[in-house]
Amino acid sequence: GNSVTQMEGPVTLSEEAFLTINCTYTATGYPSLFWYVQYPGEGLQLLLKATKADDKGSNKGFEATYRKETTSFHLEKGSVQVSDSAVYFCALIAWGGGADGLTFGKGTHLIIQP
Amino acid sequence: DGGITQSPKYLFRKEGQNVTLSCEQNLNHDAMYWYRQDPGQGLRLIYYSQIVNDFQKGDIAEGYSVSREKKESFPLTVTSAQKNPTAFYLCASSIGGGDQPQHFGDGTRLSIL
Repeated sequence: GNSVTQMEGPVTLSEEAFLTINCTYTATGYPSLFWYVQYPGEGLQLLLKATKADDKGSNKGFEATYRKETTSFHLEKGSVQVSDSAVYFCALIAWGGGADGLTFGKGTHLIIQP
Repeated sequence: DGGITQSPKYLFRKEGQNVTLSCEQNLNHDAMYWYRQDPGQGLRLIYYSQIVNDFQKGDIAEGYSVSREKKESFPLTVTSAQKNPTAFYLCASSIGGGDQPQHFGDGTRLSIL
């Protein structure tokens, strides 16, 4: 089956620090990979995606590269802001991999201190 | 503005009672999904529908039921058979299946009285 593993939180950083949130996956079929962000009391918003190996998704200063050889999709940002505080979910959907819904990691709570 | 509307935002259920969570979208999306979110567990797929009058079980469908009579609506019923219904429920939609991004509503928090 499909699964996503991401680093446990909370992750606490100071403003302007460099961010990495690790994400690795296992999948049957050919997965597309996503990062979603959830602010308190809200639903999820798509942050970025990559649909094939070596693709780089980017948005709002965040980026992640689809690494097939290491089955990873780590999220990075060069300089975080207080407004980036949220829960971040790595997710995949795999062609031919069964149910046609997203498989999510457990989420990483990011806290940015001023 | 186009989007997904979930209602109510908070819902309380008595033991042995069925409750229905509403999800409406005006994005003209074909596919709709229901997820359950528990603390520290991420999201898990309950049911999904690729087209009107058709739906499929996800990973944790037991104790839940859905219908898809209209393209824009995908209500979820939490039945009395669901022994641990307290959770945050999220509805999503996408243009199609596969790698199309899913758009999420703001969720409904269900609690047991």
